[in-house]
Amino acid sequence: EAQVTQNPRYLITVTGKKLTVTCSQNMNHEYMSWYRQDPGLGLRQIYYSMNVEVTDKGDVPEGYKVSRKEKRNFPLILESPSPNQTSLYFCASSFLFRSGEPQHFGDGTRLSIL
Amino acid sequence: DQQVKQNSPSLSVQEGRISILNCDYTNSMFDYFLWYKKYPAEGPTFLISISSIKDKNEDGRFTVFLNKSAKHLSLHIVPSQPGDSAVYFCAASYGVNSGYALNFGKGTSLLVTP
Repeated sequence: EAQVTQNPRYLITVTGKKLTVTCSQNMNHEYMSWYRQDPGLGLRQIYYSMNVEVTDKGDVPEGYKVSRKEKRNFPLILESPSPNQTSLYFCASSFLFRSGEPQHFGDGTRLSIL
Repeated sequence: DQQVKQNSPSLSVQEGRISILNCDYTNSMFDYFLWYKKYPAEGPTFLISISSIKDKNEDGRFTVFLNKSAKHLSLHIVPSQPGDSAVYFCAASYGVNSGYALNFGKGTSLLVTP
């Protein structure tokens, strides 16, 4: 089954404790991205990757890191999480890097940082 | 600043009737518009898209209309079914320099009642 898989689905942690949210897609997609969804703000892009070893900042990259060492994986790293990073996170991928290309989303990771 | 706006947080429609979900945008550079549907505890799922050079796109029960002069688009669902009850997000994209990020509205929650 074609899918984008995120782990963990839920995590409660404390300020400053490094964490990684994994994202994997099995569709051989070039493009992958991370979004966060906050009440009253919709979804906002954090980082994206056009292909292996090529990443760039989205609208809200502060406090996050990413890497794309393999085509299928795009982990999101919070080196020193803070409470304002409490949010619902979505990973997405698309076959091509172009405008209008439908992105396929994972089911989300709810992070709570105390 | 929100570039894609969905001004109706919720909409209730009877089964069999037409659902019309509206979306306004401010950035004239957007060249693609997409609609996503989201069920609770799942990621957004792509529904239908339209290029800025078109004014209508149809896929089964779903039709999207684009009025560029008014910077307005709408999603029509005919006939509405209870399974259509979900949150609908309007999104827009443009430009390689923006990573073709999807700019999302805040969503409209559709309830289709039997």
